[in-house]
Amino acid sequence: GAVVSQHPSWVICKSGTSVKIECRSLDFQATTMFWYRQFPKQSLMLMATSNEGSKATYEQGVEKDKFLINHASLTLSTLTVTSAHPEDSSFYICSARDRTSGIYEQYFGPGTRLTVT
Amino acid sequence: DAKTTQPPSMDCAEGRAANLPCNHSTISGNEYVYWYRQIHSQGPQYIIHGLKNNETNEMASLIITEDRKSSTLILPHATLRDTAVYYCIVRALFGGYQKVTFGTGTKLQVIP
Repeated sequence: GAVVSQHPSWVICKSGTSVKIECRSLDFQATTMFWYRQFPKQSLMLMATSNEGSKATYEQGVEKDKFLINHASLTLSTLTVTSAHPEDSSFYICSARDRTSGIYEQYFGPGTRLTVT
Repeated sequence: DAKTTQPPSMDCAEGRAANLPCNHSTISGNEYVYWYRQIHSQGPQYIIHGLKNNETNEMASLIITEDRKSSTLILPHATLRDTAVYYCIVRALFGGYQKVTFGTGTKLQVIP
């Protein structure tokens, strides 16, 4: 099946710094990628949807100036958490949608654990 | 995407079948039923999906009621590694804009 990778798998950063997380579709082209956030013992919450070459669409309550999303190519999307604070500590998961044959299958990455100290 | 309702938790003895129910009474005609699971600290893993016929693969079976308002995921011989949160999702596959949104899921605990 299609593979989605994330890098790094975990990161620790100091409060006030910025962190970039990469999401790659390894064997398919993803015109659309999704970013989710998951706090401990909670479900995945969709943060934003990004389409290649255009601005991301953010879900209600998600600060677009804090969570910068770039989808510059059909295989790469990045999420940058700017001026991170301890409350941003979470598990971030990306998902990529394969549009092969008109069927919009969606594949998930392994997640990135962010800890802000 | 239509909403789904799942029990928050279930236990299953190792080696026995685990039957996980899901209600999706507002499902539309073009929406599929998908099941994913999430093992602790990992990304969601696809299990199976179906439209109206029962489906089976190497991981599980999916039974969808005739009116499509509910479904059951069956893990035929649960192992300790099947302990995870299982999510039932309904979504359209073809065309248009749709996104996968997760409910609270069912936490399955397989007991030795």
